Amino acid sequence: EAQVTQNPRYLITVTGKKLTVTCSQNMNHEYMSWYRQDPGLGLRQIYYSMNVEVTDKGDVPEGYKVSRKEKRNFPLILESPSPNQTSLYFCASTWGITYNSPLHFGNGTRLTVT
Amino acid sequence: KNQVEQSPQSLIILEGKNCTLQCNYTVSPFSNLRWYKQDTGRGPVSLTIMTFSENTKSNGRYTATLDADTKQSSLHITASQLSDSASYICVVSPLDDYKLSFGAGTTVTVRA
Repeated sequence: EAQVTQNPRYLITVTGKKLTVTCSQNMNHEYMSWYRQDPGLGLRQIYYSMNVEVTDKGDVPEGYKVSRKEKRNFPLILESPSPNQTSLYFCASTWGITYNSPLHFGNGTRLTVT
Repeated sequence: KNQVEQSPQSLIILEGKNCTLQCNYTVSPFSNLRWYKQDTGRGPVSLTIMTFSENTKSNGRYTATLDADTKQSSLHITASQLSDSASYICVVSPLDDYKLSFGAGTTVTVRA
């Protein structure tokens, strides 16, 4: 089954404790991206990757890192989480955003930083 | 800055009725415009994708229209069902960038 898998689904952590949210897709998509969703603000892009070893900042990259060492995986790293990073996070993938190819989203990771 | 504005922010309709959601954008030039449905707590799911040359596209009871001249799109839901209760998100892909522009969404509540 074609899917984007995020882990974990729920995560509670404390300020400053490094964490990684994993994202994996099995569709051989070139484009992958991370979003955060906060009430009233909609989805905001954090980072995106056009292909292996090619990443770029989205609209809200501060406090986040990503890597794309292999095509299927695109982890999101919070080196020193802060309470303002409490949010619902989504990973997504597609062949390319200029193609008529939909974004496939994972089921989300709800992060709480205390 | 590229912007996508959706209206209304939320609406309530009775089961079986129709409704129309609006999306206005400033992204230019743009490659395609997409509508997604997002159930509470779940990832968005694609409903339609339209290029700048397409005027309308349907997916079951969902019909999207696009006017590239006025930079407006609409999503029409026909004969609404309780399962249509969700947030609907308009997303525009620029032609010359890899950053997507997302609307804040319209929350639709269908009541029996």
